[in-house]
Amino acid sequence: AQSVTQLGSHVSVSEGALVLLRCNYSSSVPPYLFWYVQYPNQGLQLLLKYTSAATLVKGINGFEAEFKKSETSFHLTKPSAHMSDAAEYFCAVSEFGATNKLIFGTGTLLAVQP
Amino acid sequence: ETGVTQTPRHLVMGMTNKKSLKCEQHLGHNAMYWYKQSAKKPLELMFVYSLEERVENNSVPSRFSPECPNSSHLFLHLHTLQPEDSALYLCASSQTSGTSEQYFGPGTRLTVT
Repeated sequence: AQSVTQLGSHVSVSEGALVLLRCNYSSSVPPYLFWYVQYPNQGLQLLLKYTSAATLVKGINGFEAEFKKSETSFHLTKPSAHMSDAAEYFCAVSEFGATNKLIFGTGTLLAVQP
Repeated sequence: ETGVTQTPRHLVMGMTNKKSLKCEQHLGHNAMYWYKQSAKKPLELMFVYSLEERVENNSVPSRFSPECPNSSHLFLHLHTLQPEDSALYLCASSQTSGTSEQYFGPGTRLTVT
């Protein structure tokens, strides 16, 4: 069965610094992978997705993620953090089947310091 | 309306009340989901409907009763809830084929007193 591990439940960066949020997955078949962002008291918003095309995926708000099969990783990065990036970020892998269920990681709360 | 909408956004109910949460998707999707998000816990998938048929029920207590009258609407009927049921309830929709990304509503913040 697929699973997702997000290393670091809390990450703090300074404004303008690099953002790196880690995600490792386990899957017996080439997966579809997703990053979602959740702002306080809101639902989850899709940031980007990997669907076996380009390994470097660009998303909204300047975020990107690189699929590395050898490392079973799909880390999320942004070159320069902005205060508005403060939110919780979830990595997810698609479990194939009749329901196309998503398996979510436990989330990483990103704080951006001025 | 666009995307996935949920009503009400906030709900306070007593343990003996009966209430319903409503979700509507305007994306032409054919699968819908209910999730529970509690503080300091992973996102919990509760129910999955595909083509209006319930295809998954993850050991959810019977005090939660889902209903999917058509592919655009999903309800979660609540009765005799417990305080530990207080959480953010999220609805999502997707296509059953393709890349399967789910689109989420803003959630209903439920408080059980």
